[in-house]
Order: sequence, then structure tokens, then C-alpha cells
Amino acid sequence: NAGVTQTPKFQVLKTGQSMTLQCAQDMNHEYMSWYRQDPGMGLRLIHYSVGAGITDQGEVPNGYNVSRSTTEDFPLRLLSAAPSQTSVYFCASARNFIDSPLHFGNGTRLTVT
Amino acid sequence: GQQLNQSPQSMFIQEGEDVSMNCTSSSIFNTWLWYKQDPGEGPVLLIALYKAGELTSNGRLTAQFGITRKDSFLNISASIPSDVGIYFCAGHNDYKLSFGAGTTVTVRA
Repeated sequence: NAGVTQTPKFQVLKTGQSMTLQCAQDMNHEYMSWYRQDPGMGLRLIHYSVGAGITDQGEVPNGYNVSRSTTEDFPLRLLSAAPSQTSVYFCASARNFIDSPLHFGNGTRLTVT
Repeated sequence: GQQLNQSPQSMFIQEGEDVSMNCTSSSIFNTWLWYKQDPGEGPVLLIALYKAGELTSNGRLTAQFGITRKDSFLNISASIPSDVGIYFCAGHNDYKLSFGAGTTVTVRA
């Protein structure tokens, strides 16, 4: 059971480049979400999805897009990377979020130069 | 977003000591959670609290959901070296989980 799998583990981008951070879970979880972690700020919610075909914005959604075409996958897209998006990104999933806790992936460390 | 104030920011532990940290918020939460993060990994759930006033233990860990639903504390008893890491509190409302800034626990030299 792989749990929540994030790829890549590390990425360096130049300002203005685009890329997609991948997240997949094999636990048939309905709820998936993306967080960014910056020093001294904890984890901040970027976008979340309560099921396939449904997405919504979190606390810091600007500069990021998501889609949820399948239950398993929840990719995060950066359309035009900026240095302010340098961070560690975590994907997390839960069975239904209401009464089941989040399971986190191991993160993607992104540097934008 | 909802603000969670976690304290202390950092602490040093000596093996065998008891450790306490807490989290307060101006908002009411339906659920409080405590996570631990080791270097290079994602946070891992330690304890989940679902009812105001609830006191829950998980081995050497004890956590309480404050009666006002605006605070929670985590105690670690008889700390061991592998307790080092970053501990996060998190409050849950609707479909959003808000995190504190974390308490970094390191071993006192």
C-alpha cells in the first residue's frame, strides 16, 4: 500500500516556467488537498477537492491550478512560476475529511530562481 | 485564514523529561489534531480529538481538546531521542484544516 505518492521530490524552475506537481493516492480517498510549507508559517492550504470533478480554493490559491478528473490523482499546476512559490509542497488525502484524518505525502521541494 | 497560535516555537529536551506544548485560536474548531514531522517527510498524525473536553492518550502522548473548542495541548511523557522533530497542531472546520506554525523539539546537548 503506497499511500500518498508525490513526484518529483525536488524541482528547480526558472521564473516564468510552468510545471505540474503530481499527487496520487491508492486508498480510495474522496478528499485530497495541497499545502505549502514555509519556515515559521506551518502548512497553508492551497486547494482542495472533496471528490472527483470537484475542487475549491484554500487559503493561498493564487498562482496555482488544480483538477480532479479521477479519485486517485490531484495534480497541482504552476502556470508561471515565481520566486515566491519557492516552498515545500505537500499533498494530503482523507477518506472523507469529516471524521478521518489527513494522510500526507513526503513532499516536493520546489525552488524558483 | 484561521489563525492558530502554537507555543513554544522551539524547545530543548533531555531524555526522560516531560514535554508540553499548546495551541490556541480565536476560532472554534470541530476537531483538533496533532501531527509530527520528521526531516524530509510529511506530517504524520499523532492524536485526533473530536469532542470538546476530550482527553486522549496514545502511548506516551496525551492531548486534550479544550472545553471552549479554541485550544488544545499535547504532552509527551518521559521523552526519548526519537521524539525530536516538529510538532504541529491543526484545527478542522468544514473541509479545511488550519495548522499552527509548529514547535521544534531538539535534544539538549
